[in-house]
Amino acid sequence: TQLLEQSPQFLSIQEGENLTVYCNSSSVFSSLQWYRQEPGEGPVLLVTVVTGGEVKKLKRLTFQFGDARKDSSLHITAAQPGDTGLYLCAGVRGFKTIFGAGTRLFVKA
Amino acid sequence: DTEVTQTPKHLVMGMTNKKSLKCEQHMGHRAMYWYKQKAKKPPELMFVYSYEKLSINESVPSRFSPECPNSSLLNLHLHALQPEDSALYLCASSRGTNQNTDTQYFGPGTWLTVL
Repeated sequence: TQLLEQSPQFLSIQEGENLTVYCNSSSVFSSLQWYRQEPGEGPVLLVTVVTGGEVKKLKRLTFQFGDARKDSSLHITAAQPGDTGLYLCAGVRGFKTIFGAGTRLFVKA
Repeated sequence: DTEVTQTPKHLVMGMTNKKSLKCEQHMGHRAMYWYKQKAKKPPELMFVYSYEKLSINESVPSRFSPECPNSSLLNLHLHALQPEDSALYLCASSRGTNQNTDTQYFGPGTWLTVL
């Protein structure tokens, strides 16, 4: 069984703070994706990382794929209330996408 | 158009009912997916269709029956469901050319309640 563990499960911070969310697995994936899901909606893809050690930036969000392609992190700089939501990492192998349990982020104004 | 539409948005059904969930995309995608998401849990893959053929069935009970009538449509037929099947059912699609990196586009989901 491939298992993706995300931490923390819940995070409540003040506007302007930085945070990092971690996604770890004992399995190697072809790629790793990060999604954001709003209540009552489907997940929306933020980024796909494919190469070990890869770093991608999306405005204030920085995504890193571990060298061994088993883990990833999401760093948000100067969090804003609009960043509030559920962040899901997902390991991809072929047509199978396995989601982590998610990190529920709440950014207070 | 990067939209995946799902109908109905909400569905309440009894354990003896037969109902269907529908999913549609017009992006020319050739891979389509059904996921189940329980409250406060991540989505779990149920079925994958590639070029209108069932590629993956994640040991889903036979009371869930998928159907892909054409490349734009994906249905999920429901029969004799149990209350524990109540969940958000998400449909997704992707190009189907590179399974490892293709973006999956998710629909808004159907909230299903089984009484």
